[in-house]
Amino acid sequence: SYELTQPPSVSVSPGQTARITCSGGALPKNFAYWYQQKSGQAPVLVIYADTKRPSGIPERFSGSSSGTTATLTISGAQVEDEADYYCYSTDRSGIHRRVFGGGTKLTVL
Amino acid sequence: QITLKESGPALVKPTQTLTLTCTFSGFSLRTSYVGVGWIRQPPGRALEWLAVIYWDDDERYSPSLRSRLTVTKDTSKNLVVLTMTNMDPVDTATYYCAHLYYDFWSDEDYFDYWGQGTLVTVSS
Repeated sequence: SYELTQPPSVSVSPGQTARITCSGGALPKNFAYWYQQKSGQAPVLVIYADTKRPSGIPERFSGSSSGTTATLTISGAQVEDEADYYCYSTDRSGIHRRVFGGGTKLTVL
Repeated sequence: QITLKESGPALVKPTQTLTLTCTFSGFSLRTSYVGVGWIRQPPGRALEWLAVIYWDDDERYSPSLRSRLTVTKDTSKNLVVLTMTNMDPVDTATYYCAHLYYDFWSDEDYFDYWGQGTLVTVSS
């Protein structure tokens, strides 16, 4: 089966750099996407196609990918960045699956 | 401006069939490469992709739930319907619909706009 693995939690102080990883065997062939979900809200896309940032997303959010690991980086994390972050990817071989990672709780305090 | 909104019952009994409707605006399912997907999230747990339907009626389903899911569209009314049979308490979750955007550069599609979600509880 196709899975994406994330650390359950990451904690940083305000102003520090937060890095959240996502590991998956199909990532070398497929892009990674990142969603931010604040408590009680719907997910919001913050990174698409490994490295691209949608309009309206602060520049402190960036993405990278190497081999089987994609990384979301928040440079100078703010208190308002505290949220759950999910990576997402597709496996277009065979039955065309779509998968979310297990999510990472980012704490900024 | 793209918006989506889910609607349906808040409570269903075990073994019943769940029917959810996603009503959207700001795009059309007559447009090539456009799709709508369904994703759910049990309380306190991760997102889980369920199904997508495309402008050309192509349907894709999560392998683990394939036998229980059906997704249909009504292009003239700008809505998509998800049905899930044989509901169980483990299906208790917030169900989201989302707009699927096709990126020609990457040749991939992804969910860019989401509805607010609707909580469905399965209990007798």
